Amino acid sequence: GAVVSQHPSRVICKSGTSVKIECRSLDFQATTMFWYRQFPKQSLMLMATSNEGSKATYEQGVEKDKFLINHASLTLSTLTVTSAHPEDSSFYICSASPSGALHYEQYFGPGTRLTVT
Amino acid sequence: GNSVTQMEGPVTLSEEAFLTINCTYTATGYPSLFWYVQYPGEGLQLLLKATKADDKGSNKGFEATYRKETTSFHLEKGSVQVSDSAVYFCALRGYNNNDMRFGAGTRLTVKP
Repeated sequence: GAVVSQHPSRVICKSGTSVKIECRSLDFQATTMFWYRQFPKQSLMLMATSNEGSKATYEQGVEKDKFLINHASLTLSTLTVTSAHPEDSSFYICSASPSGALHYEQYFGPGTRLTVT
Repeated sequence: GNSVTQMEGPVTLSEEAFLTINCTYTATGYPSLFWYVQYPGEGLQLLLKATKADDKGSNKGFEATYRKETTSFHLEKGSVQVSDSAVYFCALRGYNNNDMRFGAGTRLTVKP
């Protein structure tokens, strides 16, 4: 149980276009999902916390108009990278926290590698 | 704020060698501590966890003990295998936070 999927696993897009990444909790409901960004050979950096039915909370320095997050249901959160630039190329990982979890467990998706050309 | 510091890599070991990856943390309250493993091209997988002081997490031969007195959560394995080659992340979750703080990761390479 507690499986989180991401789609797509890899995407290549041209500079100036927008890309949507989906994060799904497959066998549980998640009131809260998290979006992380990982640069090569570096750790994960939390970008934003996605709450079902409300606006996402962004970490300092993350542009909310560039990284649009929508958590429309208890099993789906999407991250849209708008007007992508090569510096947005990165590995994006989501995690989901089961609703009502006593200790706020998080389960991670396999990641999406974005390359902007 | 909360933070995690882990041993810098890369670490290269021969098969069957003993592994230690150091991890220390700074936190308020009573954090939960985790070790995650990331294989090439994949996301993070939970390796083990400990939710209170003196707890020992263990999985697949790996162990780590939550030491409050030294604010540490060092990862150990008695005999590593080539298949253990990956990047290992120490992480902390605050008691009343829904987010995680990760260490920088330690790349382990095990040679036959």
